[in-house]
Amino acid sequence: GAVVSQHPSWVICKSGTSVKIECRSLDFQATTMFWYRQFPKQSLMLMATSNEGSKATYEQGVEKDKFLINHASLTLSTLTVTSAHPEDSSFYICSAMTDSYEQYFGPGTRLTVT
Amino acid sequence: QKEVEQNSGPLSVPEGAIASLNCTYSDRGSQSFFWYRQYSGKSPELIMSIYSNGDKEDGRFTAQLNKASQYVSLLIRDSQPSDSATYLCAVRTGFQKLVFGTGTRLLVSP
Repeated sequence: GAVVSQHPSWVICKSGTSVKIECRSLDFQATTMFWYRQFPKQSLMLMATSNEGSKATYEQGVEKDKFLINHASLTLSTLTVTSAHPEDSSFYICSAMTDSYEQYFGPGTRLTVT
Repeated sequence: QKEVEQNSGPLSVPEGAIASLNCTYSDRGSQSFFWYRQYSGKSPELIMSIYSNGDKEDGRFTAQLNKASQYVSLLIRDSQPSDSATYLCAVRTGFQKLVFGTGTRLLVSP
């Protein structure tokens, strides 16, 4: 089956610093990847759509200058949370889309900003 | 009206019973339909995809799609306590992204 990895699985950082999260499709190429955020006991919230070789498309209300997305290859997309604040603490999950439009999720990254 | 609607539950069933999870969607142009399982604190896991009207079976899981009624369901036969999780219905409407329902929490009691 399709496998997606994320790194790191958890990270603690200080307020004002930046954190980079990597998402990799391990056994397939993904032209399109997605980044979600999920707060406890809430639904998945799509943040942005990442297309290889082009700029990411952000959902309404998501600050593109704060959440930098780079999709440099068909197997790697990165999300950088810049100038992190405690309210950015959340569970960040990426997904990669196959040619049949199935999305496979990474295991997620739990970010805590102190 | 929400684009994808699910009953939040919890849906409680005894071990060995059939669990029936339902989902309705508003966009008649929707093309692909997916069921994900999410355990608490974990990311969603794709368990079924269905693209045409009718039933699709995979092991203990059966997805049912009725485009005329804009309805998709998931049946879990011989439910096990390990099936206790939140089940997310997701719909692709023609763009790349999926629209997710808020999920139905399933509790299977031993």
